[in-house]
Amino acid sequence: EAEVAQSPRYKITEKSQAVAFWCDPISGHATLYWYRQILGQGPELLVQFQDESVVDDSQLPKDRFSAERLKGVDSTLKIQPAELGDSAMYLCASSLGNRDVGTEAFFGQGTRLTVV
Amino acid sequence: GDSVTQMEGPVTLSEEAFLTINCTYTATGYPSLFWYVQYPGEGLQLLLKATKADDKGSNKGFEATYRKETTSFHLEKGSVQVSDSAVYFCALSDRNTGNQFYFGTGTSLTVIP
Repeated sequence: EAEVAQSPRYKITEKSQAVAFWCDPISGHATLYWYRQILGQGPELLVQFQDESVVDDSQLPKDRFSAERLKGVDSTLKIQPAELGDSAMYLCASSLGNRDVGTEAFFGQGTRLTVV
Repeated sequence: GDSVTQMEGPVTLSEEAFLTINCTYTATGYPSLFWYVQYPGEGLQLLLKATKADDKGSNKGFEATYRKETTSFHLEKGSVQVSDSAVYFCALSDRNTGNQFYFGTGTSLTVIP
């Protein structure tokens, strides 16, 4: 069964260091999402790609966060410098992106980031 | 803008009890509605969905009906099991916003034997 792959599963980093997360969506999925989930809360969208183009990054803290999907397939989310408040689960999801009604998003297992 | 509001937890039930988790939404267009489930330390998995008014989504004994008149999509199960213990998220996606997903805050369910 096709899955969204994320790595690493867990990351501990010191404040002010750089950290990067990788996501490989399900093959053929044009839309890729990065969400941040703080413990006890729902996922909040950071950035949405359609192929290699950014559709929405209005909630991405652009002074420290960056995201790219250069060939429209896998994606990297980077934080530099990391702050204590960035500790959260970072979830990647993908969907067919064909704008059909009811197209579901498939989620990876997430990367649990702890900033110390 | 679009948003989802779901009942706060945590919810604790005995095995075989009836479950209801309330969810209401606000949307400018005609959204699709979803319930996702998250087990500890894992990502979200789709539980069920409905794409238009009066549609009923169902899976693994869970059901939810898309009620446009009350803008609701309440999750129900007639008899919960210990294995249903997880966090449940109500969500919507709207084609008018590029199929962006909006999630509720989640409801934690614990089922005790």
